Amino acid sequence: AQSVTQLGSHVSVSEGALVLLRCNYSSSVPPYLFWYVQYPNQGLQLLLKYTTGATLVKGINGFEAEFKKSETSFHLTKPSAHMSDAAEYFCAVSVSGNTPLVFGKGTRLSVIA
Amino acid sequence: GAGVSQTPSNKVTEKGKYVELRCDPISGHTALYWYRQSLGQGPEFLIYFQGTGAADDSGLPNDRFFAVRPEGSVSTLKIQRTERGDSAVYLCASSPGLAGYNEQFFGPGTRLTVL
Repeated sequence: AQSVTQLGSHVSVSEGALVLLRCNYSSSVPPYLFWYVQYPNQGLQLLLKYTTGATLVKGINGFEAEFKKSETSFHLTKPSAHMSDAAEYFCAVSVSGNTPLVFGKGTRLSVIA
Repeated sequence: GAGVSQTPSNKVTEKGKYVELRCDPISGHTALYWYRQSLGQGPEFLIYFQGTGAADDSGLPNDRFFAVRPEGSVSTLKIQRTERGDSAVYLCASSPGLAGYNEQFFGPGTRLTVL
């Protein structure tokens, strides 16, 4: 079975500062890994994904994440936070292209002016 | 094109009542997923359809929950004898269902409140 742990239910950064949201996963087979963002009263939007190939993946809005198999991690980063980045972020794992996603509990990102 | 739509956006009901939640997937998507998101939690898988059949219903919490997709498009999640613990946002997602990786596209959700 797969599981996801997101460290920190709430992260607060200053505008322009580095954003780092942590995600560790557990999977018995090579995983597919995802980061989703959820703005208030909106659906989940895919930020980026790792399926195969390059372990550093770039997503929308300047976000990127690196798959580190040895650390079972898939941390999300952005060099410079913007006010519009304030939202809930979810890390998720699946074991194949169509299987259901297993989500972490989420991290709420606040950006301070 | 149109995304995944869910109706109603909000549903308030009383304990013990029956509710139906509807999901309209993206046209042509054969895979459809239902998830439940409780307050302060990430979405949790309920059931997954490939076409008209349930490929995996292991996430349904008990036999009060049932979902159908009779024509392989629209799906309805049905909850009988609702309990206060059923209060949550119910999310639907669809994907092309092809071989290999398929992105799941999520709807805005239905917020269910059981009084």
